[in-house]
Amino acid sequence: DTGVSQDPRHKITKRGQNVTFRCDPISEHNRLYWYRQTLGQGPEFLTYFQNEAQLEKSRLLSDRFSAERPKGSFSTLEIQRTEQGDSAMYLCASSLIYNSPLHFGNGTRLTVT
Amino acid sequence: QQPVQSPQAVILREGEDAVINCSSSKALYSVHWYRQKHGEAPVFLMILLKGGEQKGHDKISASFNEKKQQSSLYLTASQLSYSGTYFCGTEGGGSEKLVFGKGTKLTVNP
Repeated sequence: DTGVSQDPRHKITKRGQNVTFRCDPISEHNRLYWYRQTLGQGPEFLTYFQNEAQLEKSRLLSDRFSAERPKGSFSTLEIQRTEQGDSAMYLCASSLIYNSPLHFGNGTRLTVT
Repeated sequence: QQPVQSPQAVILREGEDAVINCSSSKALYSVHWYRQKHGEAPVFLMILLKGGEQKGHDKISASFNEKKQQSSLYLTASQLSYSGTYFCGTEGGGSEKLVFGKGTKLTVNP
């Protein structure tokens, strides 16, 4: 069990640029979640996958956000035309099945200047 | 839909007890509890499924009252290592996504 890994750890980008983050879940985990966390707040749900199927996406998420999980393995989260309000820690988590513990990665910290 | 946690912050001396509450306006299927230390990822503590069960983990235990849509986390004889922010996450209302509360910051002093 190597844990959930996220890449990059830090990303600084200029407003209007596109960014892509990668998450590699624990290998046998079927579920994969993306959350966003800002200082002093709890993780905010963005989307989740069951294998390669994206089952739910937050209504708060604008069309600038998209996520994929091809072949049910790693996942990518893309943010297009970044805005300063997108600055946050983006957390990925995986779980074996529904209602089992979530294992979080160390996150990708995005700073939009 | 976001669960409400109380209190927002707690300061304890080592050895004291604390209770953190989590409540929801929607019917819940399960409640998760996580602890996050500064600069680190959240770490799983326990899951409680509907049925009013109580779980224990060392000196940390929790209860879940599905009728009241509430869960409580009990920390007894607190240790310095218990310091961190505690989040409850809830599933219910027809959705399988886990929604987290805003957290309770616990500080344990010597």
